[in-house]
Amino acid sequence: ETGVTQTPRHLVMGMTNKKSLKCEQHLGHNAMYWYKQSAKKPLELMFVYSLEERVENNSVPSRFSPECPNSSHLFLHLHTLQPEDSALYLCASSQGGGRTEAFFGQGTRLTVV
Amino acid sequence: DQQVKQNSPSLSVQEGRISILNCDYTNSMFDYFLWYKKYPAEGPTFLISISSIKDKNEDGRFTVFLNKSAKHLSLHIVPSQPGDSAVYFCAATRNTDKLIFGTGTRLQVFP
Repeated sequence: ETGVTQTPRHLVMGMTNKKSLKCEQHLGHNAMYWYKQSAKKPLELMFVYSLEERVENNSVPSRFSPECPNSSHLFLHLHTLQPEDSALYLCASSQGGGRTEAFFGQGTRLTVV
Repeated sequence: DQQVKQNSPSLSVQEGRISILNCDYTNSMFDYFLWYKKYPAEGPTFLISISSIKDKNEDGRFTVFLNKSAKHLSLHIVPSQPGDSAVYFCAATRNTDKLIFGTGTRLQVFP
């Protein structure tokens, strides 16, 4: 059982679809993150949740909507995406409090057509 | 404005030799730095970290050096092995849960 599990691994969706990405961590961590990785760009932090409260929203368009129902689960709800939103979406968790490493899931490869 | 920069997109090293991956940052408030390794179709995995109160941290074949005055850190891998072939990301933070990543350097270790 991996520490951070993301589903689905691959997703193809149309621009009018609504879909959700799911992340689950089994490490007892307090902080969870969504990152976006586009080709030839650094990993871009999208959202941070600490103790189930959103503490960071990095100017992400409203077509991306995170949800953190408890400290072990994190969702990213997607609606009316654009083709440029196609990327690898990575979930991570950490103990929180700064100066701790984040553990990443394997990512969801999203393609918007 | 990219606060963490990895200016070399790729590096090729012979097995057994030293690999040196470089990273520069612009924000002097960063106080904790990390290196991650990423294989294709997998998420990044943590490799090694260093606090700003140190200038060197070593873990087996991996050593990270920090030069605060130059705002520069480097990862040394010695001896390099074919299994080290991956993309390496450096990241920085300033006592928060927010990690800022560089663009990555693809390391290829050939026999």
